[in-house]
Amino acid sequence: ELKVEQNPLFLSMQEGKNYTIYCNYSTTSDRLYWYRQDPGKSLESLFVLLSNGAVKQEGRLMASLDTKARLSTLHITAAVHDLSATYFCAVVTITTSGTYKYIFGTGTRLKVLA
Amino acid sequence: GAVVSQHPSRVICKSGTSVKIECRSLDFQATTMFWYRQFPKKSLMLMATSNEGSKATYEQGVEKDKFLINHASLTLSTLTVTSAHPEDSSFYICSASVREFSYEQYFGPGTRLTVT
Repeated sequence: ELKVEQNPLFLSMQEGKNYTIYCNYSTTSDRLYWYRQDPGKSLESLFVLLSNGAVKQEGRLMASLDTKARLSTLHITAAVHDLSATYFCAVVTITTSGTYKYIFGTGTRLKVLA
Repeated sequence: GAVVSQHPSRVICKSGTSVKIECRSLDFQATTMFWYRQFPKKSLMLMATSNEGSKATYEQGVEKDKFLINHASLTLSTLTVTSAHPEDSSFYICSASVREFSYEQYFGPGTRLTVT
């Protein structure tokens, strides 16, 4: 069974600092998504990574994918308070019936302190 | 484009009653819709996958008779929680996808269910 683990589970950091969130998954997949969730809200799409070595950046966030290591990272540069949220990665897996589904990571709760 | 709505956004019901949650794709036809459940401070757990006109595929451990899913058209799927109990209280999120273009899922805003 595909497992997706994130670490850390909780991250408290000062504004202006850099940090990386890690997403490890247990079986082959070449497509990975990153989402942001604010309290009481649904998911906001951040990045889709479609191939090994893919790197995408938007503002202070940069995501990368290493399919050989089964690892994706979400790097935060010079954090600001507005980035406080929970971040999820999700891995696409193809089912035995030929359909697909997402397996979500455990989530990382980020709190940026002013 | 690619907007998914859910109704209601919040619902409170008494224990033993049933409640229906609607998921609509507003500007595209969704061949597949997914239903997720999220407990506080936890990740999203896939409950079931539904394709228009066919029976839903439930994940292991999800009671089919408890969580009835109907995907009657390419723009509407419903989740009915039957004989709800307080342990069914949760945040339910649906998503929709158009299979032939990508594996992209478009998420609805979620429904907060509280069973008293």
